[in-house]
Amino acid sequence: GAGVSQTPSNKVTEKGKYVELRCDPISGHTALYWYRQSLGQGPEFLIYFQGTGAADDSGLPNDRFFAVRPEGSVSTLKIQRTERGDSAVYLCASSPGQGRSTEAFFGQGTRLTVV
Amino acid sequence: GEDVEQSLFLSVREGDSSVINCTYTDSSSTYLYWYKQEPGAGLQLLTYIFSNMDMKQDQRLTVLLNKKDKHLSLRIADTQTGDSAIYFCAQGGSSNTGKLIFGQGTTLQVKP
Repeated sequence: GAGVSQTPSNKVTEKGKYVELRCDPISGHTALYWYRQSLGQGPEFLIYFQGTGAADDSGLPNDRFFAVRPEGSVSTLKIQRTERGDSAVYLCASSPGQGRSTEAFFGQGTRLTVV
Repeated sequence: GEDVEQSLFLSVREGDSSVINCTYTDSSSTYLYWYKQEPGAGLQLLTYIFSNMDMKQDQRLTVLLNKKDKHLSLRIADTQTGDSAIYFCAQGGSSNTGKLIFGQGTTLQVKP
């Protein structure tokens, strides 16, 4: 596609439920990043994929958060046993490769609300 | 650790210059960035500067980098109401994987 696509754009879930957030990067981009942006804050790094592998998952807050990118394209961020504190906008970005961050593009984000 | 600080709010009159300031901690960052975020929109890369440069100009935007003080600024000349947005300063993480460390964002309000 023309840009980074994230679905759904909005997700409301009950506390304790499981959610999956999807990111379709720009075609051909090998690097993919997930960030979380809480209200009034800047985006906070979660995880980085180079191809299929998670090269840096140091930003994942705890083991309820997990992300995959099985074919090196689409990525899914999975959150188990959601908590109200997980409410935020989850942003995905992609770039042509490692070290080419000046060519990174962000999606519109998924707004997750845990009630 | 890696940290980026920005002032939270700036208000200017249309036609004036705006200067948004940022301090960062990681001196090994190769690039430093300015992103713009408008309500309901994604993050848009405005400009970036390579760490061995002092200044970069791009139309109405001027970026100044003081490596000694780890201070970055963005100047917007002839500010327009369409420039109203949140501006984020970001530094590349020390591992140079492309991971970004963002500041809290500066809300720029442009009054007509």
